[in-house]
Amino acid sequence: GPKVLQIPSHQIIDMGQMVTLNCDPVSNHLYFYWYKQILGQQMEFLVNFYNGKVMEKSKLFKDQFSVERPDGSYFTLKIQPTALEDSAVYFCASSPGGDGNTLYFGEGSRLIVV
Amino acid sequence: QQQVRQSSQSLTVWEGETAILNCSYENSAFDYFPWYQQFPGEGPALLIAIRSVSDKKEDGRFTIFFNKREKNLSLHIKDSQPGDSATYFCAASRNAGAKLTFGGGTRLTVRP
Repeated sequence: GPKVLQIPSHQIIDMGQMVTLNCDPVSNHLYFYWYKQILGQQMEFLVNFYNGKVMEKSKLFKDQFSVERPDGSYFTLKIQPTALEDSAVYFCASSPGGDGNTLYFGEGSRLIVV
Repeated sequence: QQQVRQSSQSLTVWEGETAILNCSYENSAFDYFPWYQQFPGEGPALLIAIRSVSDKKEDGRFTIFFNKREKNLSLHIKDSQPGDSATYFCAASRNAGAKLTFGGGTRLTVRP
């Protein structure tokens, strides 16, 4: 099926530093998402993005978080500065839109903040 | 307030049995309900989905039963196999492009 690629697969970072998580969505998809998952538990919505703009963001999408997709390249999630509670697996997803709303997820980026 | 709720955190069945995973939701505006399967260390993968205009969707061994009036749905996995052991997430959304709201997941174990 369609593939969403995420880079890096895992990263360890010191608290207070900046991290950028990269996502290469399925080509021709129009909607992009970031989700956060801790310890294989619930998938928590962070943000979705369409046509260069944030559509909706949750309470988990703190001021230290930002997303962008410059010139149709990677869809990125940046956290600056990082905090211990940001340790989680971050999943990127993309969707073509249209009928139904099938999201295709990447394999995740495991972030450990120490 | 959890908008999508899965009644069991875990479920164990024997190989060959039918596993039944339950889900309920709060928001009447939800009209698309996918189930995702997730193996450890991997991202969730779409298994099967239903729109609210239908009450049943079948795909091989997997069937969704949907009750709009009661705002609940269930995923039935017939002839369960050990390879079906995974976490299953019920999710819901309102329209194209909108976020998916996930339930807490049910970890299914199929014993040989």
